Amino acid sequence: EDQVTQSPEALRLQEGESSSLNCSYTVSGLRGLFWYRQDPGKGPEFLFTLYSAGEEKEKERLKATLTKKESFLHITAPKPEDSATYLCAVPDSNTGNQFYFGTGTSLTVIP
Amino acid sequence: DAGVIQSPRHEVTEMGQEVTLRCKPISGHNSLFWYRQTMMRGLELLIYFNNNVPIDDSGMPEDRFSAKMPNASFSTLKIQPSEPRDSAVYFCASSQGETQYFGPGTRLLVL
Repeated sequence: EDQVTQSPEALRLQEGESSSLNCSYTVSGLRGLFWYRQDPGKGPEFLFTLYSAGEEKEKERLKATLTKKESFLHITAPKPEDSATYLCAVPDSNTGNQFYFGTGTSLTVIP
Repeated sequence: DAGVIQSPRHEVTEMGQEVTLRCKPISGHNSLFWYRQTMMRGLELLIYFNNNVPIDDSGMPEDRFSAKMPNASFSTLKIQPSEPRDSAVYFCASSQGETQYFGPGTRLLVL
């Protein structure tokens, strides 16, 4: 069964303190791994899609990487505005339509 | 682009009442998804449509829940009768391809 596990559940960082969030996945056939950001009271906002091991994508202070078993979201020198919940998801191995979401990592960046 | 539009943004109702949530997907997107998000269970897929046809409703919790998509620009999720345990944030998302784009959600409270 396809599934996604994220860790840690919550992370508090000082402004400028770099760290990484983890997303472990189990799928029979990877159709991509998706990262979303969710701010309180809003819907998830698409960040990245990674399709193959070794692939990396960057956006401002965020960099996502992918291996055959997990993905990391690296946050370099975070700012308070990076505070949000970060979700990862994988599409269903068979249909590609249904997403399986992790429970997310709640990131708080303290000024 | 207006993005995915959901209404109402907030709904407070009493147990036993009918609740109807509405969604307008992004123009040109051919898939539409209804999710429910709670603290305990995270994001759960309820049902999704492809070209206005329901493809998988296995996530619909019980017969009290129903969803329709009469045309490519409109979908509803109905709960009848509503119960306190239905309280959650309900998201609609649409896609053309694999990336899903989420609406702002409807926060439902059933008293």
